[in-house]
Amino acid sequence: DTGVSQDPRHKITKRGQNVTFRCDPISEHNRLYWYRQTLGQGPEFLTYFQNEAQLEKSRLLSDRFSAERPKGSFSTLEIQRTEQGDSAMYLCASSPRTGISSYEQYFGPGTRLTVT
Amino acid sequence: AQKVTQAQTEISVVEKEDVTLDCVYETRDTTYYLFWYKQPPSGELVFLIRRNSFDEQNEISGRYSWNFQKSTSSFNFTITASQVVDSAVYFCARGASNAGGTSYGKLTFGQGTILTVHP
Repeated sequence: DTGVSQDPRHKITKRGQNVTFRCDPISEHNRLYWYRQTLGQGPEFLTYFQNEAQLEKSRLLSDRFSAERPKGSFSTLEIQRTEQGDSAMYLCASSPRTGISSYEQYFGPGTRLTVT
Repeated sequence: AQKVTQAQTEISVVEKEDVTLDCVYETRDTTYYLFWYKQPPSGELVFLIRRNSFDEQNEISGRYSWNFQKSTSSFNFTITASQVVDSAVYFCARGASNAGGTSYGKLTFGQGTILTVHP
């Protein structure tokens, strides 16, 4: 079984730069989620897709953040003009759309972003 | 916001002790799901258990068991005969669903409980 993969695993960038992260979900899963986790906290929901449609966005997702899932497979999360407060672990998860398992989200290893 | 609260920030036990992690949630939803996830030092969140709001039967799965009490909005998780490999951060989470049983998507997580099991 191939799980959720994320790339890169670590990213160090200077304040003001743009960064883009990629997530590849489990192949038969058509729901994909992005969360952000800061040190000592639980993951916080950012956004989720069902196939290519972005169905919900959190207030945490400011104008500098954009997420896409153009073909309903992999997704990208871009942060423009990064700020030090963006430093966090960005987690991607996927789940099937229907059935009892749609409630079970399977997480990738995360991308740790450090903004200097 | 409908919060999930894990009052225990850190727990330290000695191997083979039983340990219970507490979780209290808020919800206005009629149907919802509760979860426990484990985050070992490697960082990847691992799904452990799921419980739905309309089934309060408590269960045991191997060394894991859980106690869901809708009346007190609590969903506690117990590890029996703890092992060093159980050392991790444990998160309780809540998800909602519509009347048709399709999940709304997002999970709301608690702040986590750091469990350290000493040999």
